[in-house]
Amino acid sequence: RKEVEQDPGPFNVPEGATVAFNCTYSNSASQSFFWYRQDCRKEPKLLMSVYSSGNEDGRFTAQLNRASQYISLLIRDSKLSDSATYLCVVNGGGGGNKLTFGTGTQLKVEL
Amino acid sequence: GAVVSQHPSWVICKSGTSVKIECRSLDFQATTMFWYRQFPKQSLMLMATSNEGSKATYEQGVEKDKFLINHASLTLSTLTVTSAHPEDSSFYICSARGTAGGPDTQYFGPGTRLTVL
Repeated sequence: RKEVEQDPGPFNVPEGATVAFNCTYSNSASQSFFWYRQDCRKEPKLLMSVYSSGNEDGRFTAQLNRASQYISLLIRDSKLSDSATYLCVVNGGGGGNKLTFGTGTQLKVEL
Repeated sequence: GAVVSQHPSWVICKSGTSVKIECRSLDFQATTMFWYRQFPKQSLMLMATSNEGSKATYEQGVEKDKFLINHASLTLSTLTVTSAHPEDSSFYICSARGTAGGPDTQYFGPGTRLTVL
């Protein structure tokens, strides 16, 4: 089983739509969680950290369910510029203070 | 703030040559630097972790004699791919963690695309 699993997509949505991505992780000892965004042939960029209480940053909402080892990202009112690959990233657990990346979920926002 | 640069951006070389990639933290001190590799349509895979002034810790399956890592200062780490072969062609990305952001925060360089002919 992969340490971090995501549906690769692609998710094709119209501009203005609301879209949600999910991610599961296998190591229950994982300590911190993130969503990164990666554009084609570019480095990943931190989108937001994910907290147990849930957190929101503008159109983006992230949630963590430790009991189910599940992380989600919700994007509201999607823009063309949101088209990218969204990486679920987990830190810590048995592997120490290292980031483990999911393969990413590709989002394409269309007119 | 918290900018990490990486050079070169891309490199094409012949099989058997060695390639050095530099990773610099421009406006903070990087006590730890990480080197990742990403093949097309795959996730970033951690190759090694290096702490300033000490030897790098390599992930399982990564040859330390092939991928030489030096982290001699708090702002610079280098990865040298020795005797590169076509299967080493990949996107190499560094990240840095240190005096910027939270204790878990890593800042990524823009990556180096290596093509070995």
